[in-house]
Amino acid sequence: GAVVSQHPSRVICKSGTSVKIECRSLDFQATTMFWYRQFPKKSLMLMATSNEGSKATYEQGVEKDKFLINHASLTLSTLTVTSAHPEDSSFYICSARDRVGAFFGQGTRLTVV
Amino acid sequence: GEDVEQSLFLSVREGDSSVINCTYTDSSSTYLYWYKQEPGAGLQLLTYIFSNMDMKQDQRLTVLLNKKDKHLSLRIADTQTGDSAIYFCAERDDKIIFGKGTRLHILP
Repeated sequence: GAVVSQHPSRVICKSGTSVKIECRSLDFQATTMFWYRQFPKKSLMLMATSNEGSKATYEQGVEKDKFLINHASLTLSTLTVTSAHPEDSSFYICSARDRVGAFFGQGTRLTVV
Repeated sequence: GEDVEQSLFLSVREGDSSVINCTYTDSSSTYLYWYKQEPGAGLQLLTYIFSNMDMKQDQRLTVLLNKKDKHLSLRIADTQTGDSAIYFCAERDDKIIFGKGTRLHILP
């Protein structure tokens, strides 16, 4: 199946700094990518839909100035958590959609200390 | 609105069949999916079914879709310890909406 690579898999950062997470579709072009956040023992919460060449569409309650999404090419979307705080610590997962369904990256465990 | 519901926990003996159930609300969904998540990992697409199908079988996996009742199930035959994971039901129209996941626990 299609492969989506997400990097880094783990990151620890200090409160107040920014962290960038990359999501790449390796063997297909994805005009649409999704960013999810998963809390412990909870489902995945869709944060935003990233569209190549245009602004991301954010779900209700997600701060677009805090979670910056850039989808500059058909194979790369980035999520930048700006001015990170401990409450931003979570598991972030991206997915890229092809004709049939969405394939997911390995996830990024963000810990803000 | 969009909503996907599934039971949170299922415990099955090794070798038995596991059946994970899911209900959804959006009748316009074109695809319905089952994803598997192992601890600390991303999601793996297990299987999917078109909304105009009733059943799909893929090796040990059988997906049943009752479109009238908006009910989707995943049956895992001969459940193994490696099947222990969280299984997410998801529907797609424009974006993919997930259920809360069913944690499958395998008893020896």
